[in-house]
Amino acid sequence: SAVISQKPSRDICQRGTSLTIQCQVDSQVTMMFWYRQQPGQSLTLIATANQGSEATYESGFVIDKFPISRPNLTFSTLTVSNMSPEDSSIYLCSVAREPDTQYFGPGTRLTVL
Amino acid sequence: TQLLEQSPQFLSIQEGENLTVYCNSSSVFSSLQWYRQEPGEGPVLLVTVVTGGEVKKLKRLTFQFGDARKDSSLHITAAQPGDTGLYLCAGAKAGYSTLTFGKGTMLLVSP
Repeated sequence: SAVISQKPSRDICQRGTSLTIQCQVDSQVTMMFWYRQQPGQSLTLIATANQGSEATYESGFVIDKFPISRPNLTFSTLTVSNMSPEDSSIYLCSVAREPDTQYFGPGTRLTVL
Repeated sequence: TQLLEQSPQFLSIQEGENLTVYCNSSSVFSSLQWYRQEPGEGPVLLVTVVTGGEVKKLKRLTFQFGDARKDSSLHITAAQPGDTGLYLCAGAKAGYSTLTFGKGTMLLVSP
């Protein structure tokens, strides 16, 4: 498994501002992912955070809205830009150590007013 | 299009009852994972099944992967309040690093 921490654990933000979420893993991993989980919903993949290159975004998600950094093999950030109430969600990072298996962080609960 | 259909979406039962959650798809997956998520936490991996027809047991939980690797089930025997949570299935396709998640089954076990 993997020990994954996220900061902040929760935040309440004003419309139009941006929030950067951090994800730290206890050891090096190749694959890191960012997900969004809207209230009462399942997980939707936002992007794959690639070390040394631009993130790979899923359909419906763009870099201008969700810029991602991956400076090394243990750390990544996701920024939620120009927030609106529709961005209120839980944001989760995950890592893959073994093929086809992902481990998740505790999540960041974001509320946008 | 939802590639993984989970049913039921919500289940409320009494302690001691048995239950089965289903995860179905028209697509073939190289492996399938089951997660449980409790309020305020991230999903926790329960099991990964990779072989068609495979059955894995985790205490009172039994997981089965369909022969054609298109479906899976989770059976809980003698459910306890501690089993309460959101159960998610997720499938991986050969050659792809990403997972496809089902919509989840919210299980509530009352004492």
